[in-house]
Amino acid sequence: QSVLTQPPSASGTPGRRVTISCSGSSSNVGSNTAYWYQQLPGTAPKLLIFNNDQRPSGVPDRFSGSKSGTSASLAIRGLQSEDEADYYCATWDDSLNGVVFGGGTKLTV
Amino acid sequence: QVHLVQSGAEVKEPGASVRVSCKASGYIFTDCYVHWVRQAPGQGLEWMGWINPNSGATNYARKFQGRVTMTRDTSISTAYMGLGRLKSDDTAIYYCARSCSRRGGIVHWGQGALVTVSS
Repeated sequence: QSVLTQPPSASGTPGRRVTISCSGSSSNVGSNTAYWYQQLPGTAPKLLIFNNDQRPSGVPDRFSGSKSGTSASLAIRGLQSEDEADYYCATWDDSLNGVVFGGGTKLTV
Repeated sequence: QVHLVQSGAEVKEPGASVRVSCKASGYIFTDCYVHWVRQAPGQGLEWMGWINPNSGATNYARKFQGRVTMTRDTSISTAYMGLGRLKSDDTAIYYCARSCSRRGGIVHWGQGALVTVSS
């Protein structure tokens, strides 16, 4: 059982918008910044969003992140077939003194 | 450009130990933490701990304490993760990753190293 809760699956049609939620608690999402990773099949995770809503260079602006209280969200607009992947949220947990991940969301386009 | 290049796949018997290496380049090795994260087949990501390459200090996830050892060799910008008393459910891809703050914030990942535990 993961410390952060994500829906196991999400789906959307090309061109539409989808959001993925990440629910935590006051010791993790509530007091630290959220990160999002995209993992394509057979590859290592790749940073998508850092510090709740910042995109690294090279990540399209179709991807956006937000945080409110103890929950974070990833939104993808203008869905494309190549967005089919697993998406993970992560943050630091002050009680566990370690990094915690969500269980991952498999996105189908 | 930051690169983390890991050692190759390993096959180990139950009860044995394994050591995975992670060679860093493109940045000052001692400036950032090296994390280890594993992923069992078809499963999610699991954080194992980090090492501060500057001081050698480590922070292990509770689950792995007593079984994992993280070390580094600053002369060759390489971090190591050793895991002992292997069991079949330790079969996973082991990733090294980099953050430049103590409280996580993983930014770069290695390519992963598959460790298979089987008799």
